[in-house]
Amino acid sequence: GENVEQHPSTLSVQEGDSAVIKCTYSDSASNYFPWYKQELGKRPQLIIDIRSNVGEKKDQRIAVTLNKTAKHFSLHITETQPEDSAVYFCAAPRQSGGSYIPTFGRGTSLIVHP
Amino acid sequence: DAGVIQSPRHEVTEMGQEVTLRCKPISGHNSLFWYRQTMMRGLELLIYFNNNVPIDDSGMPEDRFSAKMPNASFSTLKIQPSEPRDSAVYFCASSLDGQGGPNYGYTFGSGTRLTVV
Repeated sequence: GENVEQHPSTLSVQEGDSAVIKCTYSDSASNYFPWYKQELGKRPQLIIDIRSNVGEKKDQRIAVTLNKTAKHFSLHITETQPEDSAVYFCAAPRQSGGSYIPTFGRGTSLIVHP
Repeated sequence: DAGVIQSPRHEVTEMGQEVTLRCKPISGHNSLFWYRQTMMRGLELLIYFNNNVPIDDSGMPEDRFSAKMPNASFSTLKIQPSEPRDSAVYFCASSLDGQGGPNYGYTFGSGTRLTVV
């Protein structure tokens, strides 16, 4: 089955700096890689995703890169702001019974200091 | 669309009592997932339904946990009897597999915070 490793577990940056969170996966058949942001006391929400036919995707201050050969993908946040402080989860799907089950990383707690 | 709806938002119960958590997936979604989130173990998948059929329940911790999906718009997760170590936030999520690729539109509910005292 799929195994997703996420690093670092915590990340502390100053406002305006960039933040990078990395994930590796084990199943070479995985072809969809979403990232979720979970603010304190709230549900995880999808912020960006990438499919295996592209190497990079951007949405304003966030971007995701994918290296299928090395089986890793990363979330990049530029010009960080205090409201970016949250726990971020990566995920990769594993197939089960013809369907897909997201396998989540353990999460990265991002703290942006004003 | 109102999104994935879970109830109750908070539940406090005494050890040994039965607890039932409820979930209404997004209309049209064909996959439903139950997760448990704790600081120690992160997001754990408990059970997964596809077209109302349980596909993978390998994450259900023990026989005290059971889940049902009697129709496409409703699912329950039951704990009987409850124990203090069951205290966690339980999330339901739904998606539409097939169209748009895996886990298309994957969305979490707001969760149920369960406290067993």
